[in-house]
Amino acid sequence: QVELVQSGGEEKKPGASVKVSCQASGYIFTNYGISWVRQAPGQGLEWMGWISAYNGATDYAQKFQDRVTMTTDTSTSTVYMELRSLRSDDTAVYYCARPSGSYPSYFVLWGQGTLVTVSS
Amino acid sequence: DIQMTQSPSSLSASVGDRVTITCQASQDITSSLNWYQQKPGKAPNLLIYDASNLESGVPSRFSGSGSETDFAFTISSLQPEDIATYFCQQYDSLPLTFGGGTKVGIK
Repeated sequence: QVELVQSGGEEKKPGASVKVSCQASGYIFTNYGISWVRQAPGQGLEWMGWISAYNGATDYAQKFQDRVTMTTDTSTSTVYMELRSLRSDDTAVYYCARPSGSYPSYFVLWGQGTLVTVSS
Repeated sequence: DIQMTQSPSSLSASVGDRVTITCQASQDITSSLNWYQQKPGKAPNLLIYDASNLESGVPSRFSGSGSETDFAFTISSLQPEDIATYFCQQYDSLPLTFGGGTKVGIK
């Protein structure tokens, strides 16, 4: 079936990096982009950026521009999101999400979420 | 960045009540507005796209309206399974932005 499956939860210390994966199945991977959206505990949703699975083009929210890198592996239909220089306020559930088309619009498919906990 | 102001932040209503949530954009976003439902511990689920289009499989008691800067989301007859948090989201321009959410409970 059509789904996005994310990697498991991570515990990191401040200053470390984390790399979360999102593996797609059930559709033509390169036809769609993937966005990353995070949600701090008890808080709202925050869009981090987007990557085209077709050509690897990216667009990051300015807030994360200096710390985030999104990449794709078309051989495994997987998208990766790496966040560096982690702080305690990066503690959140990170979701990958696929829009209805190739460009960020409305998200019809979501991963199950990956909890990243940053604590000393 | 386009700011999305959603209200109220929480509400309680009785089963069968009509519930309305509003979302205001800081600038004209035409009809590039979506609504999601999120239940605890789960990913958001798309209900309405392009301001007023019902996503496939979503019950018809959910509806959306509006354009430019002012939007509304309505549950015509609140059901116990509708207990959740609802978010609006604009995609007129990047970065995509979400409203702060409305937590809907049962009286």
